[in-house]
Amino acid sequence: DAGVIQSPRHEVTEMGQEVTLRCKPISGHNSLFWYRQTMMRGLELLIYFNNNVPIDDSGMPEDRFSAKMPNASFSTLKIQPSEPRDSAVYFCASSPRLAWETQYFGPGTRLLVL
Amino acid sequence: ILNVEQSPQSLHVQEGDSTNFTCSFPSSNFYALHWYRWETAKSPEALFVMTLNGDEKKKGRISATLNTKEGYSYLYIKGSQPEDSATYLCASDMRFGAGTRLTVKP
Repeated sequence: DAGVIQSPRHEVTEMGQEVTLRCKPISGHNSLFWYRQTMMRGLELLIYFNNNVPIDDSGMPEDRFSAKMPNASFSTLKIQPSEPRDSAVYFCASSPRLAWETQYFGPGTRLLVL
Repeated sequence: ILNVEQSPQSLHVQEGDSTNFTCSFPSSNFYALHWYRWETAKSPEALFVMTLNGDEKKKGRISATLNTKEGYSYLYIKGSQPEDSATYLCASDMRFGAGTRLTVKP
């Protein structure tokens, strides 16, 4: 298996633009997580899906952030409009069944909003 | 303890030294405790998952213990090598600690 796949790996955009980050979990995994890593706050959970259904989105910073999982093999995290403070590395992870099982992380998307 | 806390924040040791660090987590509604190894410019990789009080896991020179009653876990590295340099994260369910950054000097 190729592991968790994220795209793009790097994104540079201007403030106010829409940004879409993509994730393909490991085939057969039922749980998917989006995290944001910053120097100040470390690794923060943004949202968690189980069987394509959002279970916990309490970590989503504000209405500018939205996430979808239309099927078991694809998820998106969208920021609209983007702001410089959104600059961070965004990780996607998946686990076989439940939230508390070992998570397998993708390579991350490094986002820079100018 | 409401959050997962790790100490120390960073650690510098000489090659060959043994070292250990601590993870504290809420002991109520506990399911599992994970340790991850996170090298710079890479993504976190799982080291251990422990679920039972008294669990001990070992992988090569690295081992971990778990005390669910008091809510802590220790990670030990015996005979540290430069390639052990990384940030070691612990996670209780979906809550991650800030990590311990280990630097092993040759």
